[in-house]
Amino acid sequence: KAGVTQTPRYLIKTRGQQVTLSCSPISGHRSVSWYQQTPGQGLQFLFEYFSETQRNKGNFPGRFSGRQFSNSRSEMNVSTLELGDSALYLCASSSGGTNEKLFFGSGTQLSVL
Amino acid sequence: QKEVEQNSGPLSVPEGAIASLNCTYSDRGSQSFFWYRQYSGKSPELIMFIYSNGDKEDGRFTAQLNKASQYVSLLIRDSQPSDSATYLCAVKGDILTGGGNKLTFGTGTQLKVEL
Repeated sequence: KAGVTQTPRYLIKTRGQQVTLSCSPISGHRSVSWYQQTPGQGLQFLFEYFSETQRNKGNFPGRFSGRQFSNSRSEMNVSTLELGDSALYLCASSSGGTNEKLFFGSGTQLSVL
Repeated sequence: QKEVEQNSGPLSVPEGAIASLNCTYSDRGSQSFFWYRQYSGKSPELIMFIYSNGDKEDGRFTAQLNKASQYVSLLIRDSQPSDSATYLCAVKGDILTGGGNKLTFGTGTQLKVEL
């Protein structure tokens, strides 16, 4: 079974631009979560999508948004990029039930210059 | 107070020794507990999960959970240099209170296994 696939692997953007990251979950998984990882803050929850609906949201500004498609693939978008948005963005998938385990993709390393 | 707390380390142990990694959490309603291993430059990899009080063993790994003390630990027996990594403790809240699939992570403990 293929794992969680994230594209692109690396991105370099400048302040003010916007970016879209993509995540394909493990086949059969309906839940996709997004996390931001930085050296200072560690892993922080952005949001979770299940069956195309946002089920949970973390404490990030509205510049961070996401969506999920009918095939469970998900995208997240960051608008008006700031230097502080430089981070590793990780996507995790699970089947979506209670106590389900999350499996992470390799992440997208975003650098904002 | 952080929701999930871990000692950042580094924790240094000699090869073959037992490594003990600890984690405390603040939400008494938390239901599921996970340990992830993260090598430098890689994504987190799930190595253990535990839902009930007590011990759970899987190979060289043992997870221990004490909900009354809000404490979860990971023991690594016969530590190997390849175990050198950052270990992340993650906690999932009660789905009835909105936990869903949201994991709250500690900042991780860096483990170094020395030859």
